Amino acid sequence: GENVEQHPSTLSVQEGDSAVIKCTYSDSASNYFPWYKQELGKGPQLIIDIRSNVGEKKDQRIAVTLNKTAKHFSLHITETQPEDSAVYFCAVPMDSSYKLIFGSGTRLLVRP
Amino acid sequence: DAEITQSPRHKITETGRQVTLACHQTWNHNNMFWYRQDLGHGLRLIHYSYGVQDTNKGEVSDGYSVSRSNTEDLPLTLESAASSQTSVYFCASSGYRDRTYEQYFGPGTRLTVT
Repeated sequence: GENVEQHPSTLSVQEGDSAVIKCTYSDSASNYFPWYKQELGKGPQLIIDIRSNVGEKKDQRIAVTLNKTAKHFSLHITETQPEDSAVYFCAVPMDSSYKLIFGSGTRLLVRP
Repeated sequence: DAEITQSPRHKITETGRQVTLACHQTWNHNNMFWYRQDLGHGLRLIHYSYGVQDTNKGEVSDGYSVSRSNTEDLPLTLESAASSQTSVYFCASSGYRDRTYEQYFGPGTRLTVT
């Protein structure tokens, strides 16, 4: 079955710096790669996703890059702000189904 | 606006009691999912449903059950609560049209089993 590894588990950056979180997956048939943000006391919320037919997608200060050959994808946050502090999860479809398998999460702290 | 709600938001129960957590969505989504979230384990799938009368086991289904009698609701039942089931539980849904994989999450239920 699919296996997803996410690194780092914690990340502390200075406000204004960039943050990068990486996920690796095992199933080469995977074709959808979302990133979720979870704020304290709330459920995860999709912030950006990418499908396998593109290598990069941007939405303002966030971007996701995909390397299908190496089977990894990354979340990039530029010009970080304190409100970016949260736990971020990557996910990959499980067995090519509608189920998602989630990474273990990255706790991002943006220091003012 | 369409939404997904969970109730109760917090629950304390005793070992051995039966507990039911409610999940209700107004997205008219066919797919619904239950996860538990524990420190160090991220989100783990308990049960899921792809439509009315359809239910399936996830990776951590032991001790849990679900039923799907309509599109909007997927209640999660703990048959005999155990301390190992103390966790935060999230319900999610996703639809067939467009963005099929995108899952919308509820606010979560924090369950404590004493």
